[in-house]
Amino acid sequence: GAGVSQSPSNKVTEKGKDVELRCDPISGHTALYWYRQSLGQGLEFLIYFQGNSAPDKSGLPSDRFSAERTGGSVSTLTIQRTQQEDSAVYLCASSLQTGKYNEQFFGPGTRLTVL
Amino acid sequence: QQQVKQSPQSLIVQKGGISIINCAYENTAFDYFPWYQQFPGKGPALLIAIRPDVSEKKEGRFTISFNKSAKQFSLHIMDSQPGDSATYFCAASMRRTNFNKFYFGSGTKLNVKP
Repeated sequence: GAGVSQSPSNKVTEKGKDVELRCDPISGHTALYWYRQSLGQGLEFLIYFQGNSAPDKSGLPSDRFSAERTGGSVSTLTIQRTQQEDSAVYLCASSLQTGKYNEQFFGPGTRLTVL
Repeated sequence: QQQVKQSPQSLIVQKGGISIINCAYENTAFDYFPWYQQFPGKGPALLIAIRPDVSEKKEGRFTISFNKSAKQFSLHIMDSQPGDSATYFCAASMRRTNFNKFYFGSGTKLNVKP
């Protein structure tokens, strides 16, 4: 079946503009995550959605970052008033939650460049 | 504070050699330790994972060694091949609180020379 998809694959924007990044998780996966991967760095957790529960927003770096998940499926990560330090690859992952150790399946990422 | 520390940052190995990547953690509540492999332009993909009730897990040329008392775990790639060249991330999670939240290491870029 289809994996996690993300759009756009690349986004170039000017400093101060808002951007929206989209994630389509694997069908049936109830958990969805956003990570940020800066050049040559590890994976920085941003936010986690699980079913109808309140999201875990503990990783969002500032109030310019927000995310929503509509209908328990598609998620949008919004960055307002982008700054150059926001330039990174934004990765989305999804997983089942079956009470066991659940693999996270990653999308290919959106490469964001803020000029 | 980084929950999982990974080393080395980069590694060069000759074809046929053994690649070893190490990770260390502090939180003894962690109980699931996956390794992810990431090729350029792709998202990370699960390679192999271990729980702390075993000291070693092997899948083909890939082996995880786990030392619970030292709070360390490592990935060994035997007979390394150029196709193994990728970035490897270790991770840890704790099941009893939020077992789907992974704490990732900073990554190791592996280059296997032909």
